Amino acid sequence: AQSVAQPEDQVNVAEGNPLTVKCTYSVSGNPYLFWYVQYPNRGLQFLLKYITGDNLVKGSYGFEAEFNKSQTSFHLKKPSALVSDSALYFCAVRVYNTDKLIFGTGTRLQVFP
Amino acid sequence: ETGVTQTPRHLVMGMTNKKSLKCEQHLGHNAMYWYKQSAKKPLELMFVYSLEERVENNSVPSRFSPECPNSSHLFLHLHTLQPEDSALYLCASSQDGRGRSTDTQYFGPGTRLTVL
Repeated sequence: AQSVAQPEDQVNVAEGNPLTVKCTYSVSGNPYLFWYVQYPNRGLQFLLKYITGDNLVKGSYGFEAEFNKSQTSFHLKKPSALVSDSALYFCAVRVYNTDKLIFGTGTRLQVFP
Repeated sequence: ETGVTQTPRHLVMGMTNKKSLKCEQHLGHNAMYWYKQSAKKPLELMFVYSLEERVENNSVPSRFSPECPNSSHLFLHLHTLQPEDSALYLCASSQDGRGRSTDTQYFGPGTRLTVL
């Protein structure tokens, strides 16, 4: 079965420090992986995706994610966190041979001034 | 978020009411989705429409009835709901590739539904 795991319910980081939000996956076939962010009372906003090619994917708002096939991980990273990055982050994987996405349970990122 | 719009943004209804949620996408996509987001649970895919044809119904109770009159509009008709149906209902759209697409799903802001 295909699945996504976000092992941390919450990540706390000081402003200016690097941040990492973890995601691991289990898929059949090639993994198509996505990160979305959700601000309070808003829908999900697309951040970045991995389809193929370079393992380091750059996305919106200075975020990037590293695809690691051997560890089946797709961790979201940012070199220097901002207070405005505080939000709920979702990792998702596309179900093989469909257009359906399976989402993780989300990780709340809290950036402190 | 202006690519996918949803109305209303908030809805309070009784268990005997009938209401509808509306979604409109302005991105030229041909696939649309309904998701349910409840507290402390993963997003649940409810329905998928591709080229106005329903291609997925994820064991959703019949009190939820989707309608897709054209590729830009998607409705979710609600009747005799239960309090546990209270949630954020999200609409999304993408360019359907019949399973071969690498395209991204873009989400609307959601409708916050409260069932009393």
